[in-house]
Amino acid sequence: AQSVTQLDSQVPVFEEAPVELRCNYSSSVSVYLFWYVQYPNQGLQLLLKYLSGSTLVESINGFEAEFNKSQTSFHLRKPSVHISDTAEYFCAVSDQTRGGYSTLTFGKGTMLLVSP
Amino acid sequence: DVKVTQSSRYLVKRTGEKVFLECVQDMDHENMFWYRQDPGLGLRLIYFSYDVKMKEKGDIPEGYSVSREKKERFSLILESASTNQTSMYLCASRHSSITEAFFGQGTRLTVV
Repeated sequence: AQSVTQLDSQVPVFEEAPVELRCNYSSSVSVYLFWYVQYPNQGLQLLLKYLSGSTLVESINGFEAEFNKSQTSFHLRKPSVHISDTAEYFCAVSDQTRGGYSTLTFGKGTMLLVSP
Repeated sequence: DVKVTQSSRYLVKRTGEKVFLECVQDMDHENMFWYRQDPGLGLRLIYFSYDVKMKEKGDIPEGYSVSREKKERFSLILESASTNQTSMYLCASRHSSITEAFFGQGTRLTVV
């Protein structure tokens, strides 16, 4: 069965500092990886995804994530955060281990707290 | 834009009531999911459906059932609501395993 581990439940940083949110997954088959963001009182929005090809993927608002197959990781990074990046971030994996049909498994989330 | 609509943002129900949470998507997606979200536990999969009238149990199906009579609609049913089912419920849909899922705004259910 697939699983996702987000090692940090909360990451406090100062504005304009770099940040890394860690994500590790386990799966016995090929995977597709996603990062979602959830702002207060809202649903989840896709931030970026890895399906195939280049292992480094980027979002339109400056986040990037690198797929590392040997370390089974998909860490999220941003070189300089803004107050508006304060939100909860979820890593997710999709594969086809559940009865041949694909499900989407999430980590427990990391709350990014950006302060001035 | 893809739209996933959950019928209610907030619900308050009494213990023992039968509760229906409705979810509708407008993009002809094959897959639909119901998750519950609790602080510190992330999103846990309750049920998913990969086609009309097809359903599969997720990680925490106990106390829940689902219905998918039409492709665009996926309903979550709490047969007899209990206080430990107080939670945020999120519906999602996607076309296939290699596409992203789109989420509704969530339903915050309180069982008293």
